[in-house]
This record gives sequence, structure tokens and C-alpha cells, in this order.
Amino acid sequence: GAVVSQHPSWVICKSGTSVKIECRSLDFQATTMFWYRQFPKQSLMLMATSNEGSKATYEQGVEKDKFLINHASLTLSTLTVTSAHPEDSSFYICSARDQGGLANTEAFFGQGTRLTVV
Amino acid sequence: DAKTTQPPSMDCAEGRAANLPCNHSTISGNEYVYWYRQIHSQGPQYIIHGLKNNETNEMASLIITEDRKSSTLILPHATLRDTAVYYCIVGRKLIFGQGTELSVKP
Repeated sequence: GAVVSQHPSWVICKSGTSVKIECRSLDFQATTMFWYRQFPKQSLMLMATSNEGSKATYEQGVEKDKFLINHASLTLSTLTVTSAHPEDSSFYICSARDQGGLANTEAFFGQGTRLTVV
Repeated sequence: DAKTTQPPSMDCAEGRAANLPCNHSTISGNEYVYWYRQIHSQGPQYIIHGLKNNETNEMASLIITEDRKSSTLILPHATLRDTAVYYCIVGRKLIFGQGTELSVKP
């Protein structure tokens, strides 16, 4: 299947600092990217959907000023966790879909980023 | 997007077929059914998807009932490496439910 690369795989940051996570589609153009977070022993929770060149659509309860999403090109989307606090510690996962003119192609996931805020 | 219901856990003997059910009774006519799995601490892996016809690929088969209100993912010869949480998702937004934790035992 197609490859989605996420970087970094893990990061530890101090409380109050910002962290940027990158998500790249390596062998296809991703018109749409999704960002999720996952707490231990729980399912993935969709945070936002981003379309290339336009503003991201955030799910209810997700603070758009805290979780900044940029999807400036067809192969790269970034999630910045601003002023991170320990409760933001989680596993963050991105997903990308190759639209290719078809509405129901499958999406592929990155390997995830484990964020620990100390 | 329609909601899905899956059993929380299942066991399967190694080498036997694993049949994972999913109910999606509120599915709309143009919504696809997608299956993903997640092995601990990794990103989900795409398995298969379909609209109304049964589908098969190198990983699994997907059987969708005629009324499209339920489906079954079949892993024909389960191995220990198939132990994972399996998610059935309906619609384009990829909203994850709780999934089924499949344990393949020797």
C-alpha cells in the first residue's frame, strides 16, 4: 500500500513549549489528511480533517488555537501542539487519502508520534 | 457517517479462519465499509474496503450482507501476527469505534 511517514516517532518536551509533528505522503498526493490522538487502551479520536490549501475542519471539543494544522502542499501536513501541557501527552497519528478523482479510496496511516510533556 | 458496532474481543486458534462481525444498520447507500487493524503502539493498517459486493485481497475477504446492514471480515488462516485490534468503519470521515481485539492463540 501507499506510504505515509510521520516525524518524529516520539518527542519529549517541557510544559509550555510547542511541538510540531510532520506527516508526509511519500508516493501519492494527499488531498485530504486526518489527525487523530489516542490515549492508552482507547480508540483513535479524530481531531481534525485538513484539505490542501484550505483551513482544517476541527471536531467538536478540539481547540483549534491549541492544535494548529497546516496542509500547505499535497504531500505534507503539520500538527503543532502549542503551549503543551502534561494532559496533551498522547499518541498522535495522521492519515492521508489519495483522492485521485475517486471519492472512496482508502486512507493510509503514519506510524504515529508519541508525545510526552514533562 | 454511520455508526458501527463490533464485539469487544474474540479469540481464534492459529491456522483457523477468523471471522470478525460488524453491524452498521444506519449505513447510507453510498457509504463504503472499511476495515483497518492496529497492532500495539503502531498506526492503523489498511486491510480492505467495499461497497456492496464481496471483496478479497491478499490479506482478507470482506462479506457484506445484501441489505448492507452488516459485514464480516475473514482472515482465512490466522497467524499469531494477526493479533491486533480490528476496526470496522463506515463512511469517508474515518471515525473509529472501539473495535474488536482479536487474540490468535497457538
